[in-house]
Amino acid sequence: DAGVIQSPRHEVTEMGQEVTLRCKPISGHDYLFWYRQTMMRGLELLIYFNNNVPIDDSGMPEDRFSAKMPNASFSTLKIQPSEPRDSAVYFCASKGRSTYNEQFFGPGTRLTVL
Amino acid sequence: SQKIEQNSEALNIQEGKTATLTCNYTNYSPAYLQWYRQDPGRGPVFLLLIRENEKEKRKERLKVTFDTTLKQSLFHITASQPADSATYLCALGLGGSASKIIFGSGTRLSIRP
Repeated sequence: DAGVIQSPRHEVTEMGQEVTLRCKPISGHDYLFWYRQTMMRGLELLIYFNNNVPIDDSGMPEDRFSAKMPNASFSTLKIQPSEPRDSAVYFCASKGRSTYNEQFFGPGTRLTVL
Repeated sequence: SQKIEQNSEALNIQEGKTATLTCNYTNYSPAYLQWYRQDPGRGPVFLLLIRENEKEKRKERLKVTFDTTLKQSLFHITASQPADSATYLCALGLGGSASKIIFGSGTRLSIRP
């Protein structure tokens, strides 16, 4: 398996623009998580899905952020409009049925909002 | 307030020694605790899980302890090697299904030859 796939790997955009981050989880995994990582705040959970249904979105910072999971093999995180404080590395992770509850992380998308 | 604290931002030790990293938490009741390793420019990678009713877990040169009274986990790497240099994150498993995990800020470990 190729692991969790995220695209793009790097995104540079200007304030006010819409940004869409994409994630393909590991096949067969029924949980998908979106995280944001910054030096100041560390790794924060934004939202997670189980069987394509959003379960907990309490970490989504504000209405500018939205996430969807239209099917088991694809999810998007959208920021509209983007702001400089959204600059961070965004990780997607997936999890299947496992004794260890381990999450498998993608390589991340480094977002820079100018 | 709820907090997860890892003992220090950075830890430097000599190759061959045992590295000990600490994770303390307040106002959480985790069902389990995990440790992940993160290398620069990459996502975290799972290392170990220890459940609330377990005191200690081992995997090769790694050992984790979990004290729910002290609300603390210790993570040990014995016979440390320069290749062990990375950031180590503890994470608490929460919620009814314990699917949600909350990460600590991490400790950057450097092993010098």
